[in-house]
Amino acid sequence: QSVLTQPPSASGTPGQRVTISCSGSSSNIGSNTVNWYQQLPGTAPKLLIYSNNQRPSGVPDRFSGSKSGTSASLAISGLQSEDEADYYCAAWDDSLNGNVVFGGGTKLTVL
Amino acid sequence: QVQLVQSGSELKKPGASVKVSCKASGYTFTSYAMNWVRQAPGQGLEWMGWINTNTGNPTYAQGFTGRFVFSLDTSVSTAYLQISSLKAEDTAVYYCAREQIRDFDYWGQGTLVTVSS
Repeated sequence: QSVLTQPPSASGTPGQRVTISCSGSSSNIGSNTVNWYQQLPGTAPKLLIYSNNQRPSGVPDRFSGSKSGTSASLAISGLQSEDEADYYCAAWDDSLNGNVVFGGGTKLTVL
Repeated sequence: QVQLVQSGSELKKPGASVKVSCKASGYTFTSYAMNWVRQAPGQGLEWMGWINTNTGNPTYAQGFTGRFVFSLDTSVSTAYLQISSLKAEDTAVYYCAREQIRDFDYWGQGTLVTVSS
């Protein structure tokens, strides 16, 4: 059971906007920044969003992140077939001596 | 460009040991911490811990103490993960990941370790 809670699955049709939630607690999301990783099938994870809402160079602006209190969200607008992947949220957790905690992951299907 | 290249897949018997390498290039190795992440088959990501590439001091997450050892060879910009007394439940893909500022900005391609008799 993961410390951060994500829905196991999400779906949308091309062009739609989808959001993926990530729920935590005061010791992790509530007091630290949230990062999001995208894992395409059979590949290593890739940093998608850092510091709650920052995109690394090369990540399309269709991807956006937000955080409020002890929850965070990843939004994908203009959904494309190549967005089909697993998405993970992550944050440091102050109650675990600085451990990193991940969400269980959300499998996004583009219908 | 930054690259983390890991060693190839391993097939080991229960009780054996394995050492996974992660060779960094394209940046100053000692300027960034290195983290290790495990992904069991069909499962999510699990943080194993990190190693300070300046001091060599490792920090292990709960559940990864005792049989897991992080080490470095800074002369060849390489981090290592050694797992001893392997068990079937250690079967997983192991990733190294460079830590930027509280995020993992570059990842190795992953090393599959299979433990089977």
